[in-house]
Amino acid sequence: DTAVSQTPKYLVTQMGNDKSIKCEQNLGHDTMYWYKQDSKKFLKIMFSYNNKELIINETVPNRFSPKSPDKAHLNLHINSLELGDSAVYFCASSQARVTVQFFGPGTRLTVL
Amino acid sequence: DQQVKQNSPSLSVQEGRISILNCDYTNSMFDYFLWYKKYPAEGPTFLISISSIKDKNEDGRFTVFLNKSAKHLSLHIVPSQPGDSAVYFCAANRGSNYKLTFGKGTLLTVNP
Repeated sequence: DTAVSQTPKYLVTQMGNDKSIKCEQNLGHDTMYWYKQDSKKFLKIMFSYNNKELIINETVPNRFSPKSPDKAHLNLHINSLELGDSAVYFCASSQARVTVQFFGPGTRLTVL
Repeated sequence: DQQVKQNSPSLSVQEGRISILNCDYTNSMFDYFLWYKKYPAEGPTFLISISSIKDKNEDGRFTVFLNKSAKHLSLHIVPSQPGDSAVYFCAANRGSNYKLTFGKGTLLTVNP
């Protein structure tokens, strides 16, 4: 009965590769988010989708491309991975304009 | 530009005593504040929130106080329990615009 799930939990890859992280929520929410927690431990929003429409796109390199096939899923695809992309990526969901967001367990990405 | 600051990276308290975690913000447009708790290798879990129209919100052992004039909020945990040991994040939102701005977190350790 996991509310927000992410796969994989750990991802180790070489520089230059392309990888994807998947997120699914079963809470019936219509808004989903991607956050990045870097080595300095700040949690920063990257993207937000509401009803499959992109509503927040922070200053993120265009190597990062979110895709929302439906309201329950938000995937993150990263092209040409760089060392600086190493971080923990969290998916979250909420009901539109309800501020409380529910987070997934995170995906630790390590780029070698 | 840190709009939400948690100036204490860590806090250690004895079981049964009060834990007080502090958070300051700079953006006067923030009108909703949240506290999240995070265990290692897990995602942040929502704990308690407060709207800017209130100065206090209580939920069991957890109370959040908001001082708008000082742009300061605090989370009180009474009595503290070893299971409360985690990283606590303060977050703020402006006008339900979907985006949460997080502080860097405070590691709370409750000693038996």
